[in-house]
Amino acid sequence: GQNIDQPTEMTATEGAIVQINCTYQTSGFNGLFWYQQHAGEAPTFLSYNVLDGLEEKGRFSSFLSRSKGYSYLLLKELQMKDSASYLCAVRGYNAGNMLTFGGGTRLMVKP
Amino acid sequence: DAGVTQSPTHLIKTRGQHVTLRCSPISGHKSVSWYQQVLGQGPQFIFQYYEKEERGRGNFPDRFSARQFPNYSSELNVNALLLGDSALYLCASSFGPDAQGGEQYFGPGTRLTVT
Repeated sequence: GQNIDQPTEMTATEGAIVQINCTYQTSGFNGLFWYQQHAGEAPTFLSYNVLDGLEEKGRFSSFLSRSKGYSYLLLKELQMKDSASYLCAVRGYNAGNMLTFGGGTRLMVKP
Repeated sequence: DAGVTQSPTHLIKTRGQHVTLRCSPISGHKSVSWYQQVLGQGPQFIFQYYEKEERGRGNFPDRFSARQFPNYSSELNVNALLLGDSALYLCASSFGPDAQGGEQYFGPGTRLTVT
């Protein structure tokens, strides 16, 4: 089975940097995804890591350590529109395209 | 190009009734997955279909069933609705059935309320 943990809520200030952590335990691993979800909307893809290291995409970066079962999403130069839930999801090995999601981290960006 | 589309957007049903939710994947995508998202939680995997065949099933009762059509659209059916089935039902499409199939793109979801 798979177990994914991430903080329930975080608060940060506009213009700052925030790091959202995700730890996972899985019987097989074939990639970790981060999605952003605004209230009442569908999740939108942010990043994908399958090898150790940092992937950077503009203001968003994601890091993976497979040996530690750990990932983080880094958001720089926070904007008010970044207020949303951030979902960490793991794809198992030989599990098709099935994603196992964490409960999500609700980020509130304050002025 | 249109993204993943789902219908209806919202639905209210009574306990014991049956519901059918529909999904059309992105053009060229052959894999469709269904997820249930209860308020305040992350999505939970229900089914994956690829080329009209079931490729994966999550931990849901037999009241939940699905199918995929030759045009790759899909239906999710839920029988004997319970209050606990109230959730956002998300459809996700990808090109292929596995890791080489690329990332999944989610539709806007169907908000189901069971009273």
